[in-house]
Amino acid sequence: GAGVSQSPSNKVTEKGKDVELRCDPISGHTALYWYRQSLGQGLEFLIYFQGNSAPDKSGLPSDRFSAERTGGSVSTLTIQRTQQEDSAVYLCASSLRAGGPTFGPGTRLTVL
Amino acid sequence: GENVEQHPSTLSVQEGDSAVIKCTYSDSASNYFPWYKQELGKRPQLIIDIRSNVGEKKDQRIAVTLNKTAKHFSLHITETQPEDSAVYFCATYTGTASKLTFGTGTRLQVTL
Repeated sequence: GAGVSQSPSNKVTEKGKDVELRCDPISGHTALYWYRQSLGQGLEFLIYFQGNSAPDKSGLPSDRFSAERTGGSVSTLTIQRTQQEDSAVYLCASSLRAGGPTFGPGTRLTVL
Repeated sequence: GENVEQHPSTLSVQEGDSAVIKCTYSDSASNYFPWYKQELGKRPQLIIDIRSNVGEKKDQRIAVTLNKTAKHFSLHITETQPEDSAVYFCATYTGTASKLTFGTGTRLQVTL
């Protein structure tokens, strides 16, 4: 596609439920990033993929968070047993190996 | 790991004046320095970038300077306009770590 797409655009869930967020990067982009942004705050790094492997998982807040990428393309970020503090906008970005990533529109997650 | 500090956190300028945002970083291996603009409710957009073998880069009213020795880089916006109002993020990319680290952001307000 022309840009990075993410789904869903909005997700409202109850505390304790699992959620899955999807990212479709720009075709051919080998690097894929997940960031989290709380209201009015900065960009918190979560995880980075190069191809299908994740050399840097240092930003995942807890073991409730996991991510995978298949076929060097689509990535899913899964949050298990969601908590209210997980509420934020989750941004995905992709790039060629050494370039500024292009961001997707984000998924706004609200945990009630 | 890399630490990126960004100043100021907020900046208010009158239309037509210049704005300067500064970032410092810790990892001497950092070799790519993009700047992003994020308007309210939108995704971050890459506006300019610079690589470590260049000291300055200009694109119309926007310029970025890099001092590798001092490990700092700056964004300069001249002849500011109301549409420049946004949050600006600097970032550094370390090729070996393949991780993009963002600064904490600067909220720029251009007043009439």
